[in-house]
Amino acid sequence: DVKVTQSSRYLVKRTGEKVFLECVQDMDHENMFWYRQDPGLGLRLIYFSYDVKMKEKGDIPEGYSVSREKKERFSLILESASTNQTSMYLCASSLSPVKTSGRATIYNEQFFGPGTRLTVL
Amino acid sequence: TQLLEQSPQFLSIQEGENLTVYCNSSSVFSSLQWYRQEPGEGPVLLVTVVTGGEVKKLKRLTFQFGDARKDSSLHITAAQPGDTGLYLCVKRGNFGNEKLTFGTGTRLTIIP
Repeated sequence: DVKVTQSSRYLVKRTGEKVFLECVQDMDHENMFWYRQDPGLGLRLIYFSYDVKMKEKGDIPEGYSVSREKKERFSLILESASTNQTSMYLCASSLSPVKTSGRATIYNEQFFGPGTRLTVL
Repeated sequence: TQLLEQSPQFLSIQEGENLTVYCNSSSVFSSLQWYRQEPGEGPVLLVTVVTGGEVKKLKRLTFQFGDARKDSSLHITAAQPGDTGLYLCVKRGNFGNEKLTFGTGTRLTIIP
C-alpha cells in the first residue's frame, strides 16, 4: 500500500512564527504536492514538485515556500505564519505520467496523506 | 483558478435511500475523477472517467460523465453509513498536466 505520512495531525502556532510541515511517501513517487483545504473552496494547490530539488508554483503560492532535498520528502514552509493561513494542509504524491505508443498520456492517481490542521493564533 | 461547482453542498439522508450529487463546469474536462474524503483522512480516488457519456459502476455507486464533458453525476443506491464523507469531483487541465482542480465538495451524511 502507498503510504503518505505528514509530520503532525494538529499544529498551533503564533503569528509571525516560522512553520515547517513535513510530508514523506514510501512508494518512490516522482511527484509530490501540497494543497490547502478550506470550507467552500475545495482543495487548492500551493506548490508541487516533479523531482528532487524541483518545484513549481501552484495556484496560491504566496506566503509559502517548499523544499525537496530527497525524493521521499517534501516540506512546506510558512516563513512568517499569518492567521489567514489557518487551514487543513494536505500532501499528495504520484508516479510520473506515462506516454503510450499512441501518444496518449496516462496520468497516475494522487495519493493523499491524512492532513495537518494548522491553527495560527 | 475556476472551481468546479458541486451540488448540493450538504446532504443528509436516511440509510437505504438513493441520492445523486452533481459536478458542473463551464469548461470541458479532459478527464474527471471522483474522490471521497472521510473525516480525519485525505481524499481517496474512487473513479476516473474520460469519455463523454461514459458510465462507471463501483458497487452501489454509479458515475456518469456528461456527453459534452462539462458535467458529471454520482448516484448512490441504498446508501449505507459507510458512504458518509466529503465527495469531491476533480478535473485535470484541458492540455493535460499534473495539476488538478478540485470541486467545492458535497458533504454527505447517512443516518442509520
